[in-house]
Amino acid sequence: EDKVVQSPLSLVVHEGDTVTLNCSYEVTNFRSLLWYKQEKKAPTFLFMLTSSGIEKKSGRLSSILDKKELFSILNITATQTGDSAVYLCASLRSGNNRLAFGKGNQVVVIP
Amino acid sequence: SQTIHQWPATLVQPVGSPLSLECTVEGTSNPNLYWYRQAAGRGLQLLFYSVGIGQISSEVPQNLSASRPQDRQFILSSKKLLLSDSGFYLCAWSGGLGNTIYFGEGSWLTVV
Repeated sequence: EDKVVQSPLSLVVHEGDTVTLNCSYEVTNFRSLLWYKQEKKAPTFLFMLTSSGIEKKSGRLSSILDKKELFSILNITATQTGDSAVYLCASLRSGNNRLAFGKGNQVVVIP
Repeated sequence: SQTIHQWPATLVQPVGSPLSLECTVEGTSNPNLYWYRQAAGRGLQLLFYSVGIGQISSEVPQNLSASRPQDRQFILSSKKLLLSDSGFYLCAWSGGLGNTIYFGEGSWLTVV
């Protein structure tokens, strides 16, 4: 069974801090790793990582994948209160489109 | 551009009553479609996925069922709800193998 483990499960930071979220995976026939942001409603897509060592960036968010050590990190720099959310990591297998999700990293940014 | 809609957004149902959640995708053809459930304090769990009309795969045994009567329509049903069916249900779609999966707005179900 595919396994996706995220850490820390929750954290509280102050505005302006940098946050690093971790996601490790054990997946048969791994294809990609995806990050989503969930704010009380449906998850919104952030990144899809397929190749090792290539950083993807979107504004203050960035993510990278290490396929040798089987993990990914999501970084948020200069955090804002609008970054408060649950960040979900999910693995995608080759040959089908089933996502296996971790339990999420709950981030609370306080002013 | 592609959009996904699901409804109703919120519903409260008594134990033993039927359920029907509907999801439609616009702007694409032959999408892969999914139903996920997110229970309180737990991760997203895949319930059903479909690669085409009438083709449904079930991931977990339960009293729920899914149907795909049209290419871009996916329905989640139950004949008799249980308390444990309460949760946040998400429909999702992707353009094919290896593509990103996008989620609908979600439906909050409370079984009382």
